[in-house]
Amino acid sequence: DAMVIQNPRYQVTQFGKPVTLSCSQTLNHNVMYWYQQKSSQAPKLLFHYYDKDFNNEADTPDNFQSRRPNTSFCFLDIRSPGLGDAAMYLCATSSVGLASYEQYFGPGTRLTVT
Amino acid sequence: SQQGEEDPQALSIQEGENATMNCSYKTSINNLQWYRQNSGRGLVHLILIRSNEREKHSGRLRVTLDTSKKSSSLLITASRAADTASYFCATDAGGKLIFGQGTELSVKP
Repeated sequence: DAMVIQNPRYQVTQFGKPVTLSCSQTLNHNVMYWYQQKSSQAPKLLFHYYDKDFNNEADTPDNFQSRRPNTSFCFLDIRSPGLGDAAMYLCATSSVGLASYEQYFGPGTRLTVT
Repeated sequence: SQQGEEDPQALSIQEGENATMNCSYKTSINNLQWYRQNSGRGLVHLILIRSNEREKHSGRLRVTLDTSKKSSSLLITASRAADTASYFCATDAGGKLIFGQGTELSVKP
């Protein structure tokens, strides 16, 4: 089945230690998104790729970076995680025209910062 | 600034009852979408309603949209224990989705 896959599902990192979360998709969608969701809150868009074009949200901290080496894969890099970065990180995809179409979400990676 | 506000924040009902959740938003939209999130999981798309539509049905789901009041509602009929989840509205505002805070629905068997 076509899907969005996130690895790992659970990630523990130390304060200040760089961490990378990965997302892959078999849907061949041209848009990929990264969201941060803290407990009992709405998902918050960090950035998205429209094909290879990177679009950063204005309030996304510089600590967060992303890479999309090809259509199928997208990575979220947190350069120096702080305690406030502990959250669920959701990857999503959509086809063609950004949010005008439904988004397909992966199961998420829950990040713990110790 | 948050686009969508949801009401109620939490809802507890018995199996077989109907559940209604409301969403209000602030600016003009292209469409409004509803998503479900089971505890600790990703979001699943339920239904999309375009700005020129007033009502849409999908199985036991009924969504209404009132653009004059900038509000939408999601009705789940004949609820089941498996409907227990958080439900989010999301507005398409200028090419990205902005999610509301969500309604946490608990359906007791």
